[in-house]
Parts: sequence; structure tokens; C-alpha cells
Amino acid sequence: EAGVAQSPRYKIIEKRQSVAFWCNPISGHATLYWYQQILGQGPKLLIQFQNNGVVDDSQLPKDRFSAERLKGVDSTLKIQPAKLEDSAVYLCASSQTGGAGETQYFGPGTRLLVL
Amino acid sequence: KQEVTQIPAALSVPEGENLVLNCSFTDSAIYNLQWFRQDPGKGLTSLLLIQSSQREQTSGRLNASLDKSSGRSTLYIAASQPGDSATYLCAVWAAGNKLTFGGGTRVLVKP
Repeated sequence: EAGVAQSPRYKIIEKRQSVAFWCNPISGHATLYWYQQILGQGPKLLIQFQNNGVVDDSQLPKDRFSAERLKGVDSTLKIQPAKLEDSAVYLCASSQTGGAGETQYFGPGTRLLVL
Repeated sequence: KQEVTQIPAALSVPEGENLVLNCSFTDSAIYNLQWFRQDPGKGLTSLLLIQSSQREQTSGRLNASLDKSSGRSTLYIAASQPGDSATYLCAVWAAGNKLTFGGGTRVLVKP
């Protein structure tokens, strides 16, 4: 079974530029998560999708971050414009139904450096 | 609001020594607790999952205990090896269907 795929693996941009990350979850998984992991900290949930609908985006900085999952499969996370403090690893995860306590499977992450 | 703390933030031990990693959480109303391993430049790998009704879970050299009433979990790694060097994260599933992570413990096992 293929795991969660993410691209690109690394990205370096200057502040005020825009950037987009892509995630392909495990086939058949209804729930997709985006996490932000700042160096030395644990991952923090940014947004959760159930199929193509948003379940939780309470910690997403909506003035600069946006995400979509149009066909209920792949997802894109965008930052526009980027700030220095957005430097982090962005992890995508998926789970089968999104039920409480269900195992999430994580991708390798995209490491973003904002200069 | 659930908060998860891991102490120490970093740990260095000689090969063969047992590792003890601690995790504490503020709200005992959890569904389960998971321990993850994260290697540099890679995603998270789930090591052990303990349901809220369980006291411990074992897999090979790994043993995790859970004391929900005191808000604590401990991950034991027996006879550590250099390949165990990684960052270990604990996370709790709590009300609101949200997985909350601790800051992690960075482990270095010296040959």
C-alpha cells in the first residue's frame, strides 16, 4: 500500500513570495490533515478535510494560508504572502474515516525556509 | 485546552542503556495516546498506540505505559542501539477529534 505522498520535499523562498504544497493521501482515506511543525516543536494542526469539506480550520491563519481538496483526494496548501515565521515543516496526514482516536498516516513533509 | 509536555527535550545515552521518555498531558479525557518516531527529514512513524482503557502496550524492545488519572505516559526502550537515535513524539486524541502533540524528545544513542 502506497503511503502519503508530498511534494516538493524542500522549498526556499523570500518573504512576501507565495508557495504551494501538494499532498496525495492513501487511497480510500476520507480524511486529510495538514500540520505545521516548527523546529523543536510538535506538529500543530492547521486544517482537517473530510472528503472535500473542511471539518476544522480553527488554527489556519486565513489571512495568508489557504487549502483546498477539490475532488476529495489530493490537497494543496498555499501561503501568500509568506513570512519569516512560516519557516517550518508542513506535514500531510490521512486517515480512513476521521473517527476519534483513529490512526493517522503521515507523509515525509515539505521543509519550507523563508528568507 | 489540552497541553502535552515532554521532558527532557534532549537525551544522550551510551549504547545498551535503557531509555526512559516522559510525556504528560493536562486533560485526562482522552481517547488514546500515541508514541511516534521522527527521523531527520522524514515524516512520523507510529510506534505504539495505547487506548484510554489500557495501562500499557508493548512492541519488541518498546514498552509504553499510560496513567490517565495522573496524565502521564512513559516510553521505555530497552537496550538502546544507535539506530534508535531519533526524535520521539507523544500525542493524545482528545475531545474535539484533535490530535495534540508534545514538543518531542531528541534522543542520541552513542556507539
